[in-house]
Amino acid sequence: GENVEQHPSTLSVQEGDSAVIKCTYSDSASNYFPWYKQELGKRPQLIIDIRSNVGEKKDQRIAVTLNKTAKHFSLHITETQPEDSAVYFCAATGPGTRALTFGNEKLTFGTGTRLTIIP
Amino acid sequence: DARVTQTPRHKVTEMGQEVTMRCQPILGHNTVFWYRQTMMQGLELLAYFRNRAPLDDSGMPKDRFSAEMPDATLATLKIQPSEPRDSAVYFCASGPQREGTDTQYFGPGTRLTVL
Repeated sequence: GENVEQHPSTLSVQEGDSAVIKCTYSDSASNYFPWYKQELGKRPQLIIDIRSNVGEKKDQRIAVTLNKTAKHFSLHITETQPEDSAVYFCAATGPGTRALTFGNEKLTFGTGTRLTIIP
Repeated sequence: DARVTQTPRHKVTEMGQEVTMRCQPILGHNTVFWYRQTMMQGLELLAYFRNRAPLDDSGMPKDRFSAEMPDATLATLKIQPSEPRDSAVYFCASGPQREGTDTQYFGPGTRLTVL
């Protein structure tokens, strides 16, 4: 099955600086890569996602890049703010049953990165 | 703003007791996922359903866990008998099945403590 590795496990960044979190995946058939943000005691919430037919996607201060050949994707947060402090999870679609169905297959998550923004 | 709901939000029980967790997916979503989150294992998929039929429950300990969807508005996860190692936060997530749509929306979770 799919295996997703995420680094680093913890990251401290000065407010205003950029943060980068990296993930690698094992299944070359994976084609959907979301990033979730989870604040303490809250539910994971989708912040950005990318599909395998796109190399980069940006939404204000957040961007995701994908390298299909190397099977890795990264989250970039620029001009970090205290409210960016949270745990971030990357994920990738598993093998699933995509041959028979489409859309919303199971996700395999990375182990998470605890991001701390230092004021 | 439609959201996935879960009950109970917190559950403390003693080892050996039955635990039932409930999830109401977003109306119109036909794919429902159950995840378990622990410090050691992170977010693990336990099972998922499409149109109420189980698609994959390989992540679930079969001897004590069971998951069902009695109807399109309710998913249940049962543990019988519960053990201390089952202590975790259990999340339900739902999503629509449309080509090109993979977003999963998470519920608030059920924090389970087994003493």
